[in-house]
Amino acid sequence: GQQVMQIPQYQHVQEGEDFTTYCNSSTTLSNIQWYKQRPGGHPVFLIQLVKSGEVKKQKRLTFQFGEAKKNSSLHITATQTTDVGTYFCAGPAGSGGYQKVTFGIGTKLQVIP
Amino acid sequence: DSGVTQTPKHLITATGQRVTLRCSPRSGDLSVYWYQQSLDQGLQFLIQYYNGEERAKGNILERFSAQQFPDLHSELNLSSLELGDSALYFCASSAPRTGYFYGYTFGSGTRLTVV
Repeated sequence: GQQVMQIPQYQHVQEGEDFTTYCNSSTTLSNIQWYKQRPGGHPVFLIQLVKSGEVKKQKRLTFQFGEAKKNSSLHITATQTTDVGTYFCAGPAGSGGYQKVTFGIGTKLQVIP
Repeated sequence: DSGVTQTPKHLITATGQRVTLRCSPRSGDLSVYWYQQSLDQGLQFLIQYYNGEERAKGNILERFSAQQFPDLHSELNLSSLELGDSALYFCASSAPRTGYFYGYTFGSGTRLTVV
C-alpha cells in the first residue's frame, strides 16, 4: 500500500535557525496535507497542497509540492520556541473524496532558546 | 476547542477489560476517523465512517470495533485489552456537507492506560 516517508524524524535547532522537513511518497499524490502537533496536544491542520509545483506561505512557513507530486517540504525560517512540536505530512490513500489519509512518521522539532 | 469532542480524556483500566471511547464530530462533518498514537509514534489509522457507514479500515485489531450513529457521533470499542493497547486514541472529522475539504479536525484525544 501507499507509504508516506518523512525525514528527519528528529531535529534540534537553535532559535533563529531555519528548519526543513521532507516528505516522500511511493506513489503520485492527488494532494498533500501538513499538520502540527504541539507536545501534549492534538494534530492541527496547517495546509493542503494540490497542484504540481505549488508553493504556499504562511508567515515564516513555506510549503512546497513537488513537480511529480510525489514529494513535499515544509520550511520554517528563523525558528521560534513556539514552533516546537511534531510536523506531519499526510497523503490520501484511496480514490475519490474524503478518503483516509496516510500520515508520515512526523518530524519532531526541538528549538533551543 | 477544535469542535471535535472526545470523551473521556483519560482512561485507566486493567488488562482483559473492555472500554468505549466516544467522539462527536464537528458540526456539519459527516466523516469520522479513528487513529491510534503510541508513545513517540506516528498516527496509525484504525477506521473511517462516513454518514453512518464504514468507509475504510486500517490496522484495526479484531478486538476493536467501531460504529457511527445516526446523530453522527462515533464510538470505538476496545475489548480484551492488553498492555500494548496503551496509547492516545484520536478521533478526527471531515467531509462537511458543503463539500469543501479543509483538512481533518482532530479531537483532543483519549489517553488509554492499560495496567
